This record gives sequence, C-alpha cells and structure tokens, in this order.
Amino acid sequence: GAVVSQHPSRVICKSGTSVKIECRSLDFQATTMFWYRQFPKKSLMLMATSNEGSKATYEQGVEKDKFLINHASLTLSTLTVTSAHPEDSSFYICSARGRIDTEAFFGQGTRLTVV
Amino acid sequence: GQNIDQPTEMTATEGAIVQINCTYQTSGFNGLFWYQQHAGEAPTFLSYNVLDGLEEKGRFSSFLSRSKGYSYLLLKELQMKDSASYLCAVVDSNYQLIWGAGTKLIIKP
Repeated sequence: GAVVSQHPSRVICKSGTSVKIECRSLDFQATTMFWYRQFPKKSLMLMATSNEGSKATYEQGVEKDKFLINHASLTLSTLTVTSAHPEDSSFYICSARGRIDTEAFFGQGTRLTVV
Repeated sequence: GQNIDQPTEMTATEGAIVQINCTYQTSGFNGLFWYQQHAGEAPTFLSYNVLDGLEEKGRFSSFLSRSKGYSYLLLKELQMKDSASYLCAVVDSNYQLIWGAGTKLIIKP
C-alpha cells in the first residue's frame, strides 16, 4: 500500500510552546488529508479535513486558531498545536487519500506530551 | 444523525474464528472500511467493501449488506498477534469517513 510518513513520532514540550507535526505522502499525491486525535481507549476523533491549496474544514468544537493546519502541497500537510497545554496531550494521527473513492492511508501517529 | 455500532469488546481463542459486526445509519453510503489498530499505533487498512457480498483476503474476510446497513469482519485461524482493536468506518455521501468506536479483540491461548 501507499506510504504516509508522520513526524515526529513522539514529542514532549513545555506548556505554552508550539509544536508542529508533519504528514507526508511519500508515493502518491494526497488531495485530501485528515487529522485525528485519539485519547486512550477511545476511537479516532476527526479534527479537520484539508484539501490541497484550500483552507482546512474543522469539526465542531475544534479550535482552528489553536490547531493550525496547512496543506500547501499534494504531499505535505502540517498540524501546529499552538500555545500547548497539558490537556492537549494526546495521540495525533494524520491520514491521506488520493482519489475520493480510495482508502485513506495513515501516518504512524505522534504522541504529544505537554508538561 | 450518523451512527455506527460495534461491540465494545470480544474474546476468542487462538486458532478459532471470530466475527465482528458493524451496523450503520449514515447520510448516504460510499463504501465501508475495516481497519486494525494495535495499542499506541495508527490504524492499518484491512478491507474495503462497496458492493454487497463477501470479500476474502487470506485469514480475513469482510461482508457487506447495504440494504441492512450491516457489515462484518471475519477472522479465521486466530493468532495472538490479532489481539487489537478493529475499527469500522463508513464513507458518507460527502465522502467523509464516519468512524465506529472500535471493537477490542482479546485472543486467549
């Protein structure tokens, strides 16, 4: 299957700082990228959907000024958690899709810990 | 509203067969995915069904009935490494993925 690379896999940051997570599709053009958040023992929660070259569409309850998403190219999307707080500690996962009728491929996930 | 139901947890024995069911009510239907997720890892793709019937892929098979809003994932010859969560996800009319809460499968020796 296609490869989606997410980096970093783990990050620890201080409260109040910002953290950037990258998601790259290595062997296909990702017209759509999804960003998910997952709490322990819970299902994936969609945060936002981004199409290349346009603004991300955020799900209800997700602060777009706090979770900045950029999808500047067909192979790269970034999620920046701004002014991080301990409650932002979670597992963040990206997925990428080429055509709308194909499966979404997942990155490895990023475990963020805010101390 | 959109809703996907899966059992929360199932237990099965190594070498046996287990069926994980998924029922859905969504605004439109453009396919159903099954993903496997081990603890602390991202989900990995297992199957995709868009037409009624059974799709077989090695030890794993997935079945879909669109008229009943129902799918199941069948795992044969269970191995300890199959212990994981299994997520059902439906593609709605806007081509968005709607996720079930996942079924935690515990395999016992």
